[in-house]
Amino acid sequence: AQSVTQLDSQVPVFEEAPVELRCNYSSSVSVYLFWYVQYPNQGLQLLLKYLSGSTLVKGINGFEAEFNKSQTSFHLRKPSVHISDTAEYFCAVSSTGRRALTFGSGTRLQVQP
Amino acid sequence: GAGVSQTPSNKVTEKGKYVELRCDPISGHTALYWYRQSLGQGPEFLIYFQGTGAADDSGLPNDRFFAVRPEGSVSTLKIQRTERGDSAVYLCASSATGGSDNEQFFGPGTRLTVL
Repeated sequence: AQSVTQLDSQVPVFEEAPVELRCNYSSSVSVYLFWYVQYPNQGLQLLLKYLSGSTLVKGINGFEAEFNKSQTSFHLRKPSVHISDTAEYFCAVSSTGRRALTFGSGTRLQVQP
Repeated sequence: GAGVSQTPSNKVTEKGKYVELRCDPISGHTALYWYRQSLGQGPEFLIYFQGTGAADDSGLPNDRFFAVRPEGSVSTLKIQRTERGDSAVYLCASSATGGSDNEQFFGPGTRLTVL
């Protein structure tokens, strides 16, 4: 079985400040890792994904994430956030044995002016 | 091109009624997934189709839930004898080939409210 834990349900941050959204996973097999964003009243949109290779993954809108196998983490970072980054962020995992995504419970990023 | 579409966007029904939720995947995508998202939670997997067949239905909560994809494109999620606990946003996603590394493209969801 696989699971995803997002340690922070809400993260308030001021505009132009850096942010890190934490994600830890558990799985007995090799995994693929994803971050999705859900803007208010919109569907889920892929931010970035880790499949293999370089552990630092760059995504859209200036976001990046680092895969750390020893710590089973895949934290999402952005060096300077904008008001428009206010949204719900979901970490998700799949594996060769389970094609469906297992999601964390989400982190609400609230960017304040 | 067109993304994943879902109809209706909102559905209000009474306890005990039958409902159908429809998903139109991206054209040419062979894999289709249904998820359910309750308030304040991440999406939870329900069922996955590869072509016309259900390749994994391990997420269906009970036998009141059923889904079909008869021609390998449009899918319908069917819920019998609805209960208040079925209230949630039902999400559909599709991917090109169904591989675990494939990006899943999500629709806007159907918000189901059972009174």
